[in-house]
Amino acid sequence: DAGVIQSPRHEVTEMGQEVTLRCKPISGHDYLFWYRQTMMRGLELLIYFNNNVPIDDSGMPEDRFSAKMPNASFSTLKIQPSEPRDSAVYFCASSLPESQETQYFGPGTRLLVL
Amino acid sequence: SQKIEQNSEALNIQEGKTATLTCNYTNYSPAYLQWYRQDPGRGPVFLLLIRENEKEKRKERLKVTFDTTLKQSLFHITASQPADSATYLCAPSNAGNNRKLIWGLGTSLAVNP
Repeated sequence: DAGVIQSPRHEVTEMGQEVTLRCKPISGHDYLFWYRQTMMRGLELLIYFNNNVPIDDSGMPEDRFSAKMPNASFSTLKIQPSEPRDSAVYFCASSLPESQETQYFGPGTRLLVL
Repeated sequence: SQKIEQNSEALNIQEGKTATLTCNYTNYSPAYLQWYRQDPGRGPVFLLLIRENEKEKRKERLKVTFDTTLKQSLFHITASQPADSATYLCAPSNAGNNRKLIWGLGTSLAVNP
């Protein structure tokens, strides 16, 4: 299997612009997670989906952030408008439906907002 | 609030020695605890999961303990190798919402040849 795929790998944008991050989970995984990682705060769970339905979005910082999962093989995380404090590495992860809680991470998208 | 603490200082050890990393948690009673490895520029990779009713779990040169009284997990790498150099993250989760992991900041390990 190809693993979790994320795009783009790097994104540099200016404050106020819209940013869209994309994720393709591992086939057969029905949980999908979006994380943000910074040096100061570490890994923070933003939102996760089960069978394309958002289960917990309590980590989404504010209304500027939104996430969708239109089908089992694709999810997006959108930031509009972006701010310099959104600069971080954004990871997508997926996991299997059975009781094993292991999460498989993608390579991440490094976002820099100027 | 729930808090996860890992060794904040980087750990430097000599090849062949045993590395021991600590994960402490407060205001929390996790049912599961996972350890992940993260290399620079990459996503975390799962290593081991231990449940609250398990005292110890082993996988090859790795060993994890889980002490619910001390509210602590220890992660050991025996016969360490330079290839073990990485950041190690602990991530507990509750029984009711075992998909929602709370992550420590990680401990950086450097194994010197």
